[in-house]
Amino acid sequence: GAVVSQHPSWVICKSGTSVKIECRSLDFQATTMFWYRQFPKQSLMLMATSNEGSKATYEQGVEKDKFLINHASLTLSTLTVTSAHPEDSSFYICSAPPVGHTASGANVLTFGAGSRLTVL
Amino acid sequence: GQNIDQPTEMTATEGAIVQINCTYQTSGFNGLFWYQQHAGEAPTFLSYNVLDGLEEKGRFSSFLSRSKGYSYLLLKELQMKDSASYLCAVSNSNYQLIWGAGTKLIIKP
Repeated sequence: GAVVSQHPSWVICKSGTSVKIECRSLDFQATTMFWYRQFPKQSLMLMATSNEGSKATYEQGVEKDKFLINHASLTLSTLTVTSAHPEDSSFYICSAPPVGHTASGANVLTFGAGSRLTVL
Repeated sequence: GQNIDQPTEMTATEGAIVQINCTYQTSGFNGLFWYQQHAGEAPTFLSYNVLDGLEEKGRFSSFLSRSKGYSYLLLKELQMKDSASYLCAVSNSNYQLIWGAGTKLIIKP
């Protein structure tokens, strides 16, 4: 089946540093990648949608200069949290709709394993 | 606005049956998904409904009523490994996924 590899699984960093999270589609081409953030006991919140070869689309309220998204190729999308602060501590998850993996015509998202970021 | 409502937490007994409800209000509808999420892990796909009725898949079934904006996930013969959060998500007219906050299911022996 379709697999999205996400790393690092967890990262602890000091306030003010930048952290890069990578998501790779291993056996399919991901022209689109969704980036979510999830705080404890809360819903998945879509941050942005990256598209290979074009600029990412950010959701309202998400700072594009703070959360840099790059979709470098059909198999790699990255999220860089710049100048991280404790309030950025969260679970970040990427997901992609692999072509051909459908349920009654709908694209079923394949999720990466998630990256837990803790900013001290 | 768009919102998805589901209970925050439910408790059930191993071997029993539990029904997790989800009601939604979205701008358009292109299907409803149920995902399972264990603590600290990413969600995994369980089911998808786009037409009214019941979809059965092993111990799990999902029901949809579009006129009522309502769905439920039915889990039978509960096992301890079913302890997880269950997320309801609706694809709206723009094919954006709107997520519920999830229902934490606690299974007791």
